[in-house]
Amino acid sequence: QSALTQPASVSGSPGQSITISCTGTSSDVGSYNLVSWYQQHPDKAPKLLIYEGIKRPSGVSDRFSGSKSGNTASLTISGLQAEDDADYYCCSYAGGRTLIFGGGTKLTVL
Amino acid sequence: QVTLKESGPALVKPTQTLTLTCTLSGLSPSTVGMRASWIRQPPGKALEWLARIDWDDDKVYSTSLRSRLTISKDTSKNQVVLTMTNMDPGDTATYYCARERSGSMDVWGQGTTVTVSS
Repeated sequence: QSALTQPASVSGSPGQSITISCTGTSSDVGSYNLVSWYQQHPDKAPKLLIYEGIKRPSGVSDRFSGSKSGNTASLTISGLQAEDDADYYCCSYAGGRTLIFGGGTKLTVL
Repeated sequence: QVTLKESGPALVKPTQTLTLTCTLSGLSPSTVGMRASWIRQPPGKALEWLARIDWDDDKVYSTSLRSRLTISKDTSKNQVVLTMTNMDPGDTATYYCARERSGSMDVWGQGTTVTVSS
């Protein structure tokens, strides 16, 4: 079972919007509306940003939004801020009731 | 307030068995609907999901590591325990426990770093 595919890095300037893709297969991302996204700053535990593909936990900024089309999920961050500079991971429910993460994307806010 | 805290040895030797403990506060591993997962992250690398245990003791393991992992819970101590056998330097990582809901981890522990070296 291979990791979900994410771009290694993306960048944007403050105020801009960026989108991070997460590509899986018909056995994981394509089969379940159970994609989640996490933000991780250096030496910190991951933080949940999006669950069930499109939902935001209480307290997470509405600048973060999720979507899915076929086997690809996406995280969009609008109005980029300096504190968004971090690593981002997607995760999906997969076969056998397991979970699978993406390889991670380093977001650089220029 | 729900918190989780991992503990275990910082250093283990190759071939040894690793035992990690996740102590829950504000909830019990036997509460109906409770689900806890273990995730690890090698230095500079991606997250990897390892195993899950439900309130009713249902257990699921990573396909690639299933033969080496055992997850259990100790309700009397409010703990979830993960053991991993035959440790290898490639298992050097920060190990996290987390509460899982709807396929997502909404509460994470701070993580515990394990180095495998002779």
